[in-house]
Amino acid sequence: EDKVVQSPLSLVVHEGDTVTLNCSYEVTNFRSLLWYKQEKKAPTFLFMLTSSGIEKKSGRLSSILDKKELFSILNITATQTGDSAVYLCAVKGNTGFQKLVFGTGTRLLVSP
Amino acid sequence: DGGITQSPKYLFRKEGQNVTLSCEQNLNHDAMYWYRQDPGQGLRLIYYSQIVNDFQKGDIAEGYSVSREKKESFPLTVTSAQKNPTAFYLCASSTMMNTEAFFGQGTRLTVV
Repeated sequence: EDKVVQSPLSLVVHEGDTVTLNCSYEVTNFRSLLWYKQEKKAPTFLFMLTSSGIEKKSGRLSSILDKKELFSILNITATQTGDSAVYLCAVKGNTGFQKLVFGTGTRLLVSP
Repeated sequence: DGGITQSPKYLFRKEGQNVTLSCEQNLNHDAMYWYRQDPGQGLRLIYYSQIVNDFQKGDIAEGYSVSREKKESFPLTVTSAQKNPTAFYLCASSTMMNTEAFFGQGTRLTVV
């Protein structure tokens, strides 16, 4: 059964700190790993990773995938209060349908 | 603007009643999904559909039903057989390629 585990479950940091969120996975015939940010309602897409060792970057956020060790990290530098959200990791296998399997998420609170 | 529209945003239901949640997309996506999110948990797949007039059960389909009569629409019915229906429901859509899924704003269902 496909499985995604995220850590930590929650954390509190001060504005300006750098944080690293972790995602490990087990999936049949890995196809891609996706990161989403969920503030109140709809998760919004951040990154999709398919290849090991290639960093994806968008402003202060970056992510990298290690397909050998089956994990990914999401880094946020110089955190701001607007980064407070639940960050979801999901993986997609290649079992005939593009089903996304989600982890429980990491709840990040950035205090001023 | 292209996107996914879920309605209503909030829904209250008495025990024993069926209720239908609406999901419409104008992104021309073939695949559509319904997820359920409970506090402290990730998203769990209820049903998915890859083409019109075809849909498959996800991991937690018991007590739910769907239809896919049009490409744009994928309504979810929560039946009285669902033992614990109070939750946040998210609809998503994607292409059939290895791309991200886009989410609606969600419907929060409360059984009173």
